[in-house]
Amino acid sequence: NAGVTQTPKFRVLKTGQSMTLLCAQDMNHEYMYWYRQDPGMGLRLIHYSVGEGTTAKGEVPDGYNVSRLKKQNFLLGLESAAPSQTSVYFCASSLSFPSDPLYNEQFFGPGTRLTVL
Amino acid sequence: AQKVTQAQTEISVVEKEDVTLDCVYETRDTTYYLFWYKQPPSGELVFLIRRNSFDEQNEISGRYSWNFQKSTSSFNFTITASQVVDSAVYFCALSEAGFQKLVFGTGTRLLVSP
Repeated sequence: NAGVTQTPKFRVLKTGQSMTLLCAQDMNHEYMYWYRQDPGMGLRLIHYSVGEGTTAKGEVPDGYNVSRLKKQNFLLGLESAAPSQTSVYFCASSLSFPSDPLYNEQFFGPGTRLTVL
Repeated sequence: AQKVTQAQTEISVVEKEDVTLDCVYETRDTTYYLFWYKQPPSGELVFLIRRNSFDEQNEISGRYSWNFQKSTSSFNFTITASQVVDSAVYFCALSEAGFQKLVFGTGTRLLVSP
């Protein structure tokens, strides 16, 4: 049981390049999330998904796109990377949403450190 | 709107000292959920506790304890007899009922020296 995995772990891009971050979970969770973590700003939600084929915007969605074609995978895309997108990106998954009585916790991946030059 | 404030950016203590991490939240809802996560130097986030707004009982788990006070909108976290392994960034988070996401505070970095 690998939990939540993220690919790649590190990446350096030039301004204007595109890339896709892959998140995979093997816990059959419905909910998946993408966050970015910047110094002094905590974790901010980029996009999230409440099930296969659905996505929704979070707090800081601009410049990112996501897709959830399969329940176990949640992709985060940067179409034209900018230096402001230099950050550590975390994916998370959960069985349900935070205010559901059945909710337990969000399980986080190890993170992807992205640098945009 | 939901908001979580962790005013302490960094705290340094010596091993075996007790330390309290503060968390103040804002919400218009009467039903909400509060969380604490730990991020050790290795980078992963580890879930510590979830508490709903109707349960104001303090919780203790080993050296960890949490004090929830609705009157002051606070959910503080105390580590008793701190250890070097407690060194980490600690995040407080909030979710309102019906919302499908967490709002995190900016985190408090705890440094425990031998």
